[in-house]
Amino acid sequence: GDSVTQMEGPVTLSEEAFLTINCTYTATGYPSLFWYVQYPGEGLQLLLKATKADDKGSNKGFEATYRKETTSFHLEKGSVQVSDSAVYFCALRGSQGNLIFGKGTKLSVKP
Amino acid sequence: DAGVIQSPRHEVTEMGQEVTLRCKPISGHDYLFWYRQTMMRGLELLIYFNNNVPIDDSGMPEDRFSAKMPNASFSTLKIQPSEPRDSAVYFCASSPPVLRAFFGQGTRLTVV
Repeated sequence: GDSVTQMEGPVTLSEEAFLTINCTYTATGYPSLFWYVQYPGEGLQLLLKATKADDKGSNKGFEATYRKETTSFHLEKGSVQVSDSAVYFCALRGSQGNLIFGKGTKLSVKP
Repeated sequence: DAGVIQSPRHEVTEMGQEVTLRCKPISGHDYLFWYRQTMMRGLELLIYFNNNVPIDDSGMPEDRFSAKMPNASFSTLKIQPSEPRDSAVYFCASSPPVLRAFFGQGTRLTVV
């Protein structure tokens, strides 16, 4: 079945460091891909999305490119801030309408 | 729209009791999802509905769990009887076809 694998956390970075969180997926057909973010005590919020191969999703300085050949959707940010501290989830929307998430990666950014 | 509304926000119950979690999706959304979040297992998809019909309930852990969607504006997730290992945060989300999902604030369930 469809699945998402993302790098285990936690990830701890200093402010202004470069961030990469790896995500790979397995799916039939052509899923849409998403990154969601969860702040403490809240539900998940959409961070960015890509609906077809080679699309690049971007928002708030975060980027991810849909790579069909490597079945990947890695999240990157050039310079993280303390306010980026949260849990990040990679997800796919399958052809049957299901929405599957990775286990999440906790990011802590130190000043 | 007020977004996806879940109730209660917190629930503490004794082992063996029945627990019912409620969700009101965003009006017009065709899909409704129920998830369970724990530290150990992350965010697990329990069941999802399309136009009030359950499509895939393979994530429901045991027969003690059941979910219904009697109409387009309401869904319940019931656990009977509850056990301590059911303690988790349960999220409901809704979406149009294909597009992004919107999440509720979650229900934190503690079974003692």
